[in-house]
Amino acid sequence: NAGVTQTPKFRILKIGQSMTLQCTQDMNHNYMYWYRQDPGMGLKLIYYSVGAGITDKGEVPNGYNVSRSTTEDFPLRLELAAPSQTSVYFCASKVPGQWDQPQHFGDGTRLSIL
Amino acid sequence: GNSVTQMEGPVTLSEEAFLTINCTYTATGYPSLFWYVQYPGEGLQLLLKATKADDKGSNKGFEATYRKETTSFHLEKGSVQVSDSAVYFCALRAPDSWGKLQFGAGTQVVVTP
Repeated sequence: NAGVTQTPKFRILKIGQSMTLQCTQDMNHNYMYWYRQDPGMGLKLIYYSVGAGITDKGEVPNGYNVSRSTTEDFPLRLELAAPSQTSVYFCASKVPGQWDQPQHFGDGTRLSIL
Repeated sequence: GNSVTQMEGPVTLSEEAFLTINCTYTATGYPSLFWYVQYPGEGLQLLLKATKADDKGSNKGFEATYRKETTSFHLEKGSVQVSDSAVYFCALRAPDSWGKLQFGAGTQVVVTP
């Protein structure tokens, strides 16, 4: 019963490097989300997707890209890492249409950019 | 726009004390309201929810009532345990928002023996 799985759990990047944070879910949820959590702050929405091939920007999308080629996977791409992107990143998924159902979260990826 | 405001932490309590974490929101329409809990090094877990005015969500001894008149969703527990030490997030989901959540800043709770 895996739920939402994020990889890697930890990563250190140098400024200007790129990387992809992976997120996969096995619950057949159409809706998926990427959030970032900065110290002492709540989670901010980066991007979300309501199904394969459909993505849209959230509150803080600058510096990130996403794709959604399958229902299961929703990778987040950082093209030119900047220190301001040091954060903990959470992926989440949800059953569509059932408005009272919650989002399910992964355990997060801790990313440091030096 | 929508927003969620939580009381600042950390909140430090002794075991068996009463816990209240205040949460107020601003939203148009009738949002759903949630409390999530984050234990150290882990992701967020749903603690409880309420989807309409006067609903009371409850789980693991925690309760919160959706108060439309005061736009509040305060979290309470009558007798906390050391294992309740965590960060608690209040969140709202607006209608027709594709399930997107708006989070408060989180409140750290530390329970000492």
